[in-house]
Amino acid sequence: QKEVEQNSGPLSVPEGAIASLNCTYSDRGSQSFFWYRQYSGKSPELIMSIYSNGDKEDGRFTAQLNKASQYVSLLIRDSQPSDSATYLCAVNSRGSTLGRLYFGRGTQLTVWP
Amino acid sequence: EPEVTQTPSHQVTQMGQEVILRCVPISNHLYFYWYRQILGQKVEFLVSFYNNEISEKSEIFDDQFSVERPDGSNFTLKIRSTKLEDSAMYFCASTEEGAHGYTFGSGTRLTVV
Repeated sequence: QKEVEQNSGPLSVPEGAIASLNCTYSDRGSQSFFWYRQYSGKSPELIMSIYSNGDKEDGRFTAQLNKASQYVSLLIRDSQPSDSATYLCAVNSRGSTLGRLYFGRGTQLTVWP
Repeated sequence: EPEVTQTPSHQVTQMGQEVILRCVPISNHLYFYWYRQILGQKVEFLVSFYNNEISEKSEIFDDQFSVERPDGSNFTLKIRSTKLEDSAMYFCASTEEGAHGYTFGSGTRLTVV
């Protein structure tokens, strides 16, 4: 069974702070890693993808991957109230991005003004 | 921005009835998926579809479920003899070769009573 684990939270940070979200996965052969944002009652929305060890930055978001530790994280800098949502970590065991995704339960983030 | 369109947004059905959930993937995408999310739980993979056939299915996707691409635009999920535990949000997704992750539709909330 391929598991993806996330801190369920809730995580609460003040506006302007850095929010740090963590995820571990069980399948050492996993190749592709994704962070999705899901607002309550809505569908998942892709924020970041990462495939290689290290950091990947996109605007206020930075994804970090450590395959040896089977760990992936998402940092949100200068957090805004509009970032309040549930963040889903998803993992794909295949080399391509086309295969099945395994999702974590998500971490609920609240950014307060 | 291209969208994955799902209809209906909400479907209420009686236990034992058959339902068909409809999806229109993004027009140049060739890979299609169904996921579901029971309230408060993880997003779970059901099935992937490529080149007019199922490429992968999960243990959830048993004989009760079927998928079809009846024409060049629609992708449907049929659930026969619905059960109370089929109540969930059902998400369709699509992607193309080389894409980074896939695009989810807005979902159909299925309520079985």
